[in-house]
Amino acid sequence: GAVVSQHPSWVICKSGTSVKIECRSLDFQATTMFWYRQFPKQSLMLMATSNEGSKATYEQGVEKDKFLINHASLTLSTLTVTSAHPEDSSFYICSAIAPARGPTNSPLHFGNGTRLTVT
Amino acid sequence: LAKTTQPISMDSYEGQEVNITCSHNNIATNDYITWYQQFPSQGPRFIIQGYKTKVTNEVASLFIPADRKSSTLSLPRVSLSDTAVYYCLVGASGGSYIPTFGRGTSLIVHP
Repeated sequence: GAVVSQHPSWVICKSGTSVKIECRSLDFQATTMFWYRQFPKQSLMLMATSNEGSKATYEQGVEKDKFLINHASLTLSTLTVTSAHPEDSSFYICSAIAPARGPTNSPLHFGNGTRLTVT
Repeated sequence: LAKTTQPISMDSYEGQEVNITCSHNNIATNDYITWYQQFPSQGPRFIIQGYKTKVTNEVASLFIPADRKSSTLSLPRVSLSDTAVYYCLVGASGGSYIPTFGRGTSLIVHP
């Protein structure tokens, strides 16, 4: 259980275009999802927290007008990279918290990531 | 936010036990300790979670001392497929949870 599906797994786009990445929780409802960006040989950097039905909360230094996040349902969050540039090329990963089973903390469940290459 | 510190890298050989320690000196009372494994070009995968003492599952054990200021992930009899980056996260899922990753530990298992 607790499967997170991310699509597409990789995408190549031209500079100036926009790219949408989808993150779905397949077997649970996720009121909160998180979006990360990861550059080669580096750790995951949290970009924003996506809350169902409300505006996303962006981390310091992340441009909210460039990285549009929409969490319209309890199973889907999307990240749109607008007017992409080569420096936006990176590995984008989403995660969601599944409801806890019993008196335990809920771990994060991650999608398999999206490799974005902007040419 | 409880900051975590781990060794940047570790090397081991097939069949050995590997212990990776994470320091989290300012862990909060409600925080849990969770470890994730990440292979290249994949999202992290949950390994194990604990609050105190010892937790064991089919793939790993997690040792947490009484003061909870550190934790140790123990991988028994590693194989080549255990070569990955391992991250420890500290926090409690809830309204204000901001899951922030540290640098992680790159484990390389040699034949």
